[in-house]
Amino acid sequence: QKEVEQNSGPLSVPEGAIASLNCTYSDRGSQSFFWYRQYSGKSPELIMFIYSNGDKEDGRFTAQLNKASQYVSLLIRDSQPSDSATYLCAVKYSGAGSYQLTFGKGTKLSVIP
Amino acid sequence: NAGVMQNPRHLVRRRGQEARLRCSPMKGHSHVYWYRQLPEEGLKFMVYLQKENIIDESGMPKERFSAEFPKEGPSILRIQQVVRGDSAAYFCASSREVQETQYFGPGTRLLVL
Repeated sequence: QKEVEQNSGPLSVPEGAIASLNCTYSDRGSQSFFWYRQYSGKSPELIMFIYSNGDKEDGRFTAQLNKASQYVSLLIRDSQPSDSATYLCAVKYSGAGSYQLTFGKGTKLSVIP
Repeated sequence: NAGVMQNPRHLVRRRGQEARLRCSPMKGHSHVYWYRQLPEEGLKFMVYLQKENIIDESGMPKERFSAEFPKEGPSILRIQQVVRGDSAAYFCASSREVQETQYFGPGTRLLVL
C-alpha cells in the first residue's frame, strides 16, 4: 500500500513567519513530488514540484527532498494571510501506475495577521 | 490559454438517478485523469484516459461508474444509480504528456439527496 502521510494540522503561524509543512511517503520507488495548495471549496493549485534530493526555491517557497529518509517538505517564508489554505503533498511512483498522483490528506495552514 | 474546464460545477441528484460530469482538458493536453475527494479525505485517483482509450481505471468502483474520452468532445465521468456515498468533489486533471505536470479543473461538487 503506497501511502503519503501529512499532519492534518491546523498549523498556525503569525504573519511574516516561516511555515514548515512536512510529508512522508512509504515507497522508496517514488519518483517525483508535488505540493498543491487548495483553498476551501476550490481545486488544487500546483505550487512546486521536485525530483532530486536537496532544495528547490521559487520565490517565497522552498521544497526540500530527502529520498533516503522518504521525506519532503515545503517552507513558506514571510507567510501571508493569503497563504492560509490546505497544502497537499502528492507523489508519483515509478513503474506501473506512474502517472497517478497519490495524495496525502493535507495540512491546513492558518496565517494569523 | 484556458485551463481545464469542468461542468457542471455543482450537481444535485436524488438516489437512483444518473450523474454526468464533463471535463475539457487544457489546449494541447491529451491525457485526462479523474480524482475524487470525499469530505475530509485526500484526493483519490479514479481513472486515466487518453483520446478514445481508457488506460487505467483501477481506482474506479467496478459498478455504476464509467468514463470515456471520445475523439471529439469532453471526457465524461458517468455515475449510474447514485447513492449518498457518491457525494464528493470530482476533479479532472490534464497533462500534455503522461509524465508532465497535471493541472486541475475547478471540480464538480456532487450532492446526492
